[in-house]
Amino acid sequence: SQQGEEDPQALSIQEGENATMNCSYKTSINNLQWYRQNSGRGLVHLILIRSNEREKHSGRLRVTLDTSKKSSSLLITASRAADTASYFCATEVTGTYKYIFGTGTRLKVLA
Amino acid sequence: DTAVSQTPKYLVTQMGNDKSIKCEQNLGHDTMYWYKQDSKKFLKIMFSYNNKELIINETVPNRFSPKSPDKAHLNLHINSLELGDSAVYFCASSPSLRDSSEQYFGPGTRLTVT
Repeated sequence: SQQGEEDPQALSIQEGENATMNCSYKTSINNLQWYRQNSGRGLVHLILIRSNEREKHSGRLRVTLDTSKKSSSLLITASRAADTASYFCATEVTGTYKYIFGTGTRLKVLA
Repeated sequence: DTAVSQTPKYLVTQMGNDKSIKCEQNLGHDTMYWYKQDSKKFLKIMFSYNNKELIINETVPNRFSPKSPDKAHLNLHINSLELGDSAVYFCASSPSLRDSSEQYFGPGTRLTVT
């Protein structure tokens, strides 16, 4: 498996429901970030969580990080059609200045 | 004002040609990156520069040569293009190399090699 694997690969929900996507990684990290990519566009930074943090909130986003399990989850509450996009986790590998992106979760929110 | 811009947005060319993609950021960032996103949306880092100095060269064929004339620009030149080079190439920048720096991405350049 690759550093930064996400599941599910695709997720389809109704507007107003919550969406949860997960990211697993292999190495020691400085931080983990989540990005959103709308179709045909560049990635947009959503939220960053440092390796010594366990949970972080930003608006309708909640991110958790479990370094013992090398995993993170992104929860989007009260989803909207505009949340339809691909979501990627990115880990900054300790000591490398390198970010490794996950395989992405394609989220579709149905109006 | 565009933060990270790339030109061209689309590039269609034949195998064996040489092409360049330009990237500019007006954010005053020290660090810039090139990523390749393949048809399965997998995003992989290619290069990073910090204040014009090469920091990461991630097992990229020698046909790819980045150039950073100043810290606001990072261009990517590709020689002898191959079919497998077809992908979307993203430029990104971040304030610095220190950890916990978010990256700002350009809109991408879709390269199609025929």
